[in-house]
Amino acid sequence: ILNVEQSPQSLHVQEGDSTNFTCSFPSSNFYALHWYRWETAKSPEALFVMTLNGDEKKKGRISATLNTKEGYSYLYIKGSQPEDSATYLCAFMGSGGSNYKLTFGKGTLLTVNP
Amino acid sequence: EADIYQTPRYLVIGTGKKITLECSQTMGHDKMYWYQQDPGMELHLIHYSYGVNSTEKGDLSSESTVSRIRTEHFPLTLESARPSHTSQYLCASSRSRVGPYNEQFFGPGTRLTVL
Repeated sequence: ILNVEQSPQSLHVQEGDSTNFTCSFPSSNFYALHWYRWETAKSPEALFVMTLNGDEKKKGRISATLNTKEGYSYLYIKGSQPEDSATYLCAFMGSGGSNYKLTFGKGTLLTVNP
Repeated sequence: EADIYQTPRYLVIGTGKKITLECSQTMGHDKMYWYQQDPGMELHLIHYSYGVNSTEKGDLSSESTVSRIRTEHFPLTLESARPSHTSQYLCASSRSRVGPYNEQFFGPGTRLTVL
C-alpha cells in the first residue's frame, strides 16, 4: 500500500500571509505528482501535474516544487487571500503496475482569515 | 471548464435498498474513476474504467459494482445498502492520451447516508 502524507493537516493564516505545506510520497517508481484544490461544496480542481525532479510550477500566487529523489513536494501560496481557503490534496502516481492510478493524501485544510 | 455531473448530490436511504449513483461526463474522456471518501480520510479509488466495456476494481475493496456501456456514463450500484456504505462518493474522468500528465476532472460528489 502506497503512503502519501500531507502536513500540516490544517492551517489558519491571516490574509496577506504567505504559507506552504508539504506532500511526502514514495521516492521509488515515481511517475507523476498531482496537486488539487478542493473548495467547500465544489469539486476538486487540478492545480499542477508535476513529473520532473526539480520541477517548479506556478499559477498566479500559487507555486509548487518537486523533489522525486527524496520524495516530497511543497506547495506555496504567496499573500494568501480568503478565496484561497480550501483543502489542498496531493496525489502520487507510480510507474509500473499502477496503470496511471492516483493515490491521494488526506489533504491540508487551509483557512485564510480576512 | 469540466463537465462532469453526479446525481443525486445527497441520498439518505434505509438498509437493504438498492441504489445507483449516476455519473456522466460530456468531455469524451475514455478514463473514468470512482472514489470513496470517509470524513477526515483520503480519497480511495474503488473502481475505474479505461473505456466502454472496461471496468476494474480499485485499491479499496468495495461491495459496489460499476458498468460502462457508454463512454459518457459510469454508474455505481449498491445492491443492498448498509450503514457501512455511508460515505462520500466522487466520480472523475481524464483524457485518453496515455501518460502521467492528465489531470482528473471531478464531479461534485454524492453524499450517501444509509440508516
